[in-house]
Amino acid sequence: GAGVSQTPSNKVTEKGKYVELRCDPISGHTALYWYRQSLGQGPEFLIYFQGTGAADDSGLPNDRFFAVRPEGSVSTLKIQRTERGDSAVYLCASSLGQGVMGETQYFGPGTRLLVL
Amino acid sequence: GESVGLHLPTLSVQEGDNSIINCAYSNSASDYFIWYKQESGKGPQFIIDIRSNMDKRQGQRVTVLLNKTVKHLSLQIAATQPGDSAVYFCAENGGGGADGLTFGKGTHLIIQP
Repeated sequence: GAGVSQTPSNKVTEKGKYVELRCDPISGHTALYWYRQSLGQGPEFLIYFQGTGAADDSGLPNDRFFAVRPEGSVSTLKIQRTERGDSAVYLCASSLGQGVMGETQYFGPGTRLLVL
Repeated sequence: GESVGLHLPTLSVQEGDNSIINCAYSNSASDYFIWYKQESGKGPQFIIDIRSNMDKRQGQRVTVLLNKTVKHLSLQIAATQPGDSAVYFCAENGGGGADGLTFGKGTHLIIQP
């Protein structure tokens, strides 16, 4: 597609459940990022993939959060034992991935997660 | 810790006037800065970027100024239009190349008719 896409657009779940959020990056972009945005705040970095590998996962808040990108394209963010505090918009971005200097990250529309 | 922040949470301007949105950063290692626009219910949209070897960059109706001496970044929007209403974020890369960005809290730009 022309831009980054994310599914689902909205997800409502119950405390303690497991959720998966999907991201399709821009075709040809080897770098992929996940961010979390709470209401009234700027996005917070979670994890960065270069190809299939997680180059930096320092932003993941705890071990309930995990992300994969097995074929170097689509990525899935997985949250186990969800808590009400996980409610936020989860944003995905991608960039060319040339990695030498800062490069433009293009964002998807986000998945709005609500944990009841 | 080091972070990127904005001076004002809300900026109200008259339609047709110029808007200036400010951002202070504290990570001296940052070498790449981006301004994003975010409309309600949407993801951040790239507006303009600047590298640390420049102090000014112009786009269509937008200009970004970088003052490394005082670690200050600004976004100027010329002839503000109703469609410019949104939250604007500055972001910096912390000198980490293609690493994750650090965002400020954002400035809500409101256009008065």
